[in-house]
Amino acid sequence: QVQLAESGGGVVQPGESLRLSCEASGFSFASYDMYWVRQVPGKGLEWVATVSEDGGNTNYADSVRGRFTISRDNAEKSVFLQMIALRAEDSAIYYCAKLADRAYWGQGILVSVSA
Amino acid sequence: NFILTQPHSVSESPGKTITISCTGSSGNIARNYVQWYQQRPGSAPNTVIYDDNQRPYGVPDRFSGSIDRSSNSASLTISGLRTEDEADYYCQSFDGGRIVFGGGTKLTVL
Repeated sequence: QVQLAESGGGVVQPGESLRLSCEASGFSFASYDMYWVRQVPGKGLEWVATVSEDGGNTNYADSVRGRFTISRDNAEKSVFLQMIALRAEDSAIYYCAKLADRAYWGQGILVSVSA
Repeated sequence: NFILTQPHSVSESPGKTITISCTGSSGNIARNYVQWYQQRPGSAPNTVIYDDNQRPYGVPDRFSGSIDRSSNSASLTISGLRTEDEADYYCQSFDGGRIVFGGGTKLTVL
């Protein structure tokens, strides 16, 4: 079955960096765009970034553009989110997701940015 | 930018039918597929409807999705409401390389 497993979250101070990883299995990974979505506990879902099937095209929410970089490794069936210059407002649960066709989500990973 | 608007909350009694709307701000909502997600507290979102009206294996047929081009909106209908349906529900669509989510609707079954 389809599985998405995030890792790399944690507690950091403002201005620091963090790299999230998501390992996928159970589907033809290289055939799908992949996404990062975040959610502040108790709030709604917020799209963060998209990477195309081959990694050649990326899109970012205005709130993270210039600070976050999404990438993928199709050989390793993994997608990454490099986050720099983190702010308190970046604190959230980060989900890795395959959204086209039937959507699948990872279990989420907590990122907390606090002094 | 394309925006999806949902009611903040809805409530209904067990056994009844509820419909949650998701209205597009502009353009044609039917241009891209709409997905619906159920999210219970402390859990990741779970797909209940994909590609406007398709139900994943394992989701009961009490859940259905539709598109109304005249009102530029999508709808999620849940019939025979059960207490376990109580959750937050989000619609989602695509806008170029962007993903657009509705603000979410809290369903209370009382």
